[in-house]
Amino acid sequence: DAKTTQPTSMDCAEGRAANLPCNHSTISGNEYVYWYRQIHSQGPQYIIHGLKNNETNEMASLIITEDRKSSTLILPHATLRDTAVYYCIVHTGTASKLTFGTGTRLQVTL
Amino acid sequence: GAVVSQHPSWVICKSGTSVKIECRSLDFQATTMFWYRQFPKQSLMLMATSNEGSKATYEQGVEKDKFLINHASLTLSTLTVTSAHPEDSSFYICSARLGPGLDTQYFGPGTRLTVL
Repeated sequence: DAKTTQPTSMDCAEGRAANLPCNHSTISGNEYVYWYRQIHSQGPQYIIHGLKNNETNEMASLIITEDRKSSTLILPHATLRDTAVYYCIVHTGTASKLTFGTGTRLQVTL
Repeated sequence: GAVVSQHPSWVICKSGTSVKIECRSLDFQATTMFWYRQFPKQSLMLMATSNEGSKATYEQGVEKDKFLINHASLTLSTLTVTSAHPEDSSFYICSARLGPGLDTQYFGPGTRLTVL
């Protein structure tokens, strides 16, 4: 699976949009971009995934650049409960194992 | 979404004893379960992949005789840390996959093991 690069940490004010970037310049044509998050002392939680089109669900939006070499996860109105480590993973999405990088620690503040 | 539970949520044991952690998929059958370990302020590290009815596949560097994994049914996998030592103290997280896609992989709440 392709490697990803994310900033170590980010801050965001509550109520504002949180934009979390991810670089995946070596992504293959059959690899999806997945986002998970892990709130402190809990298991990871799936957020969203996409191949090349932008995606939106009840939790977040995913914007993938046209060349697919980078993406941005958008939390439109961040709350304190969104404070977590966010992991960007590129993966074929099939039955093989899921491994995590270091992620971005997002701190949402008042 | 689907629910994965772990028991216990935390455990403290003496050095040299064995500890068993259970992982259950509550409302679905999972042919594949995964065990991860996470040390403080570090990312999750995959330990092993467990398939129902067959031997687990361990990641490089993970001692299979120390971390015994049993996946006897489609809803239960167990991880036994044998002869635990303080360096085994960690957050252990299991995950179960409902279908072929990663978006069908659900994680348990984790078990915090402290070895004295």
